[in-house]
Amino acid sequence: LAKTTQPISMDSYEGQEVNITCSHNNIATNDYITWYQQFPSQGPRFIIQGYKTKVTNEVASLFIPADRKSSTLSLPRVSLSDTAVYYCLVGPGYSSASKIIFGSGTRLSIRP
Amino acid sequence: DVKVTQSSRYLVKRTGEKVFLECVQDMDHENMFWYRQDPGLGLRLIYFSYDVKMKEKGDIPEGYSVSREKKERFSLILESASTNQTSMYLCASSLGRTGSVYEQYFGPGTRLTVT
Repeated sequence: LAKTTQPISMDSYEGQEVNITCSHNNIATNDYITWYQQFPSQGPRFIIQGYKTKVTNEVASLFIPADRKSSTLSLPRVSLSDTAVYYCLVGPGYSSASKIIFGSGTRLSIRP
Repeated sequence: DVKVTQSSRYLVKRTGEKVFLECVQDMDHENMFWYRQDPGLGLRLIYFSYDVKMKEKGDIPEGYSVSREKKERFSLILESASTNQTSMYLCASSLGRTGSVYEQYFGPGTRLTVT
């Protein structure tokens, strides 16, 4: 499975747009990119998933360039409640689900 | 909404005890997962099941076994608990194949302490 690299931590302020980038240089043709959010003492929560170009839902946008070697999770107008750890996962789906690796994630801190 | 429940929120067991952690999902998902989460190590996959009675080892299966007799229920078993198995245990489920296997829904977790 493709190894992912994310910043360990990021800081921002309420109302700002936050972009968290994940590098996955060894991504394979049939790999999907998935992002999760985790609050302290809770299980991770699925945010968004994409394969190429741009995906948007009510919570976030996911930008994937043409070479797919990186992806960027974009959180519009963050609030204090967006303070959490964000994980990027890359993998081909069913056949390799046993090899899922969450990594250490990015700790996002939002300030007033 | 998908609901994944775990049998205990907190559990304290003694070294050498056999420990059962239960997980139930109510959305008819094919896939179920057991992870453990430790500070600085992130989430690590212990076992994955893609169907009743079917399982695959994850990253750290040593010292654990699993059971999936019914589609909605996935049990994690610590045959002989040790102090290094003190951790947060998280169960998850996902719908099916290809990319959707990564759209996982997690339970609240069980914080297990082995003394």
